[in-house]
Amino acid sequence: DAGVIQSPRHEVTEMGQEVTLRCKPISGHNSLFWYRQTMMRGLELLIYFNNNVPIDDSGMPEDRFSAKMPNASFSTLKIQPSEPRDSAVYFCASRGVAGDIQYFGAGTRLSVL
Amino acid sequence: QKEVEQNSGPLSVPEGAIASLNCTYSDRVSQSFFWYRQYSGKSPELIMSIYSNGDKEDGRFTAQLNKASQYVSLLIRDSQPSDSATYLCAVEYSSASKIIFGSGTRLSIRP
Repeated sequence: DAGVIQSPRHEVTEMGQEVTLRCKPISGHNSLFWYRQTMMRGLELLIYFNNNVPIDDSGMPEDRFSAKMPNASFSTLKIQPSEPRDSAVYFCASRGVAGDIQYFGAGTRLSVL
Repeated sequence: QKEVEQNSGPLSVPEGAIASLNCTYSDRVSQSFFWYRQYSGKSPELIMSIYSNGDKEDGRFTAQLNKASQYVSLLIRDSQPSDSATYLCAVEYSSASKIIFGSGTRLSIRP
């Protein structure tokens, strides 16, 4: 299996622009997680899905962030409008069932200028 | 109180010695616990998972879990320079099946 695939690997954008991050989980995995990592705050859980349904989005910082999972093989995290404080590495992770380990994608490094 | 707490370090350990990393968590009903290693610029990778009280050994790594004290630790024996990384403790909150990470402990193995 190719593992969890994230795109793009790097994104540089200007403040106010819309940013869309993409994730393809491992085939057969039922849960998908979006995390954000910064030096100051560490690895923060933003939102996670079970069977394509959002279960907990309490970590989404504000209304500028939204996430979707239209099918079992694809998820997006959108920031609109983006701000410099959104600069971070965004990771997507998937796993099979509760209790299983998570597998992480390579991450998207986002820089908002 | 943070849900998962770790000492941020850095923790400096001489090569060949035992490195001890600690983590405490706040949810008493948590059932699944994980240790991840993250090299700079890379994604987290799993080292150990532990689900029951006691010790679990895998090569040079031993995970220890004490649910009564809400404490989980990772021991690395015969530390190598390649063990220098940030170690992340993760806890699955069974009430919601969400996985929360600690802020990580930076470990440095000095030759």
